[in-house]
Amino acid sequence: DAGITQSPRYKITETGRQVTLMCHQTWSHSYMFWYRQDLGHGLRLIYYSAAADITDKGEVPDGYVVSRSKTENFPLTLESATRSQTSVYFCASSDLRTVSYEQYFGPGTRLTVT
Amino acid sequence: GESVGLHLPTLSVQEGDNSIINCAYSNSASDYFIWYKQESGKGPQFIIDIRSNMDKRQGQRVTVLLNKTVKHLSLQIAATQPGDSAVYFCAEKNTGFQKLVFGTGTRLLVSP
Repeated sequence: DAGITQSPRYKITETGRQVTLMCHQTWSHSYMFWYRQDLGHGLRLIYYSAAADITDKGEVPDGYVVSRSKTENFPLTLESATRSQTSVYFCASSDLRTVSYEQYFGPGTRLTVT
Repeated sequence: GESVGLHLPTLSVQEGDNSIINCAYSNSASDYFIWYKQESGKGPQFIIDIRSNMDKRQGQRVTVLLNKTVKHLSLQIAATQPGDSAVYFCAEKNTGFQKLVFGTGTRLLVSP
């Protein structure tokens, strides 16, 4: 049972480059989420998706793009990376079929923009 | 680990003590609350949740208390162990939404 995976786990990129962070879940959960985690800010929602082809902005969407062509994948793209996007990124999923709103988190991707 | 930092409130306890981690939430319309544990270098893990129509819920060694009057949530950990050392986050969900809003976290340090 693979659960929810993220790749790469670590990434160093240069300012201005495009970078895509991958997220894959094997549970067929309908909802998927992208968060960034920075010192002093906890987890902040970037984008989320209620189903394939349905996405919506979260608290801090600027500079990010998402897509969800398949239920199991939810890639996050930084179109032109900036140093302020240096962070740890977490993907999560949740299942509408249960009575809980628990989100299941991936292991995270540490991104450094130089 | 990369998930914690200098600005987090910290609770230091001795092994075997009971720990209480507090959280103030902001939205009186929130109908669901959840606690997560995050160990260094890992993603958050579910601990326990509670709905707004309850004021207490117990799990294994953990209890969550909800006081809607003062918009306060607490996580009690009984007989704290070194393996409980982590950052603990509370989160709230607003009625009608699937999104969670996370607090900034509290670091729990357990000394043997």
